[in-house]
Amino acid sequence: DSGVTQTPKHLITATGQRVTLRCSPRSGDLSVYWYQQSLDQGLQFLIQYYNGEERAKGNILERFSAQQFPDLHSELNLSSLELGDSALYFCASSAGQGANGYTFGSGTRLTVV
Amino acid sequence: GQNIDQPTEMTATEGAIVQINCTYQTSGFNGLFWYQQHAGEAPTFLSYNVLDGLEEKGRFSSFLSRSKGYSYLLLKELQMKDSASYLCAVRPNDYKLSFGAGTTVTVRA
Repeated sequence: DSGVTQTPKHLITATGQRVTLRCSPRSGDLSVYWYQQSLDQGLQFLIQYYNGEERAKGNILERFSAQQFPDLHSELNLSSLELGDSALYFCASSAGQGANGYTFGSGTRLTVV
Repeated sequence: GQNIDQPTEMTATEGAIVQINCTYQTSGFNGLFWYQQHAGEAPTFLSYNVLDGLEEKGRFSSFLSRSKGYSYLLLKELQMKDSASYLCAVRPNDYKLSFGAGTTVTVRA
């Protein structure tokens, strides 16, 4: 157990729907990062939050949004889902700005049918 | 943008040594990381280099040359459980890690 908790582990939903993925960082970690990993691609950075504030944005689609709450957990919202959104979504956390790398959660496998 | 290249696949025999190369071109440099990822699982941290040279950690070693934009991960005394994907990641001057596509290592008996 890495200490980073992601729920749910698996999610199957239909095209056009909206889902919310949840992440609780390791105790004491202020930064949360979201990554998408498709079968034919590596880990693609989506977005980072630090202590509730958005700090960096990657190639995140406009249909996707995220936030980090006062208790430091984070949610990634995916809407108007398409088949191509099927992927593993990982959350990672770090104590500060990630100078010593991240700790990853076990991921949420999203299947859009 | 960031450009991180590593071989797609490598195969080696149990007990052997394998070297996974990574070359990068990034807008700034503030550290290079190697992660191991078994299929369908979370990446786990292996090593971190920010200065030139070799970092050794048990059976795994990582080398960095900043002037060449080059790193390698050396896996010694390969075991079957080392069969996994190995991800090279670079931290530019901003806060996110940019990952390469990963190298799938298959260890054969």
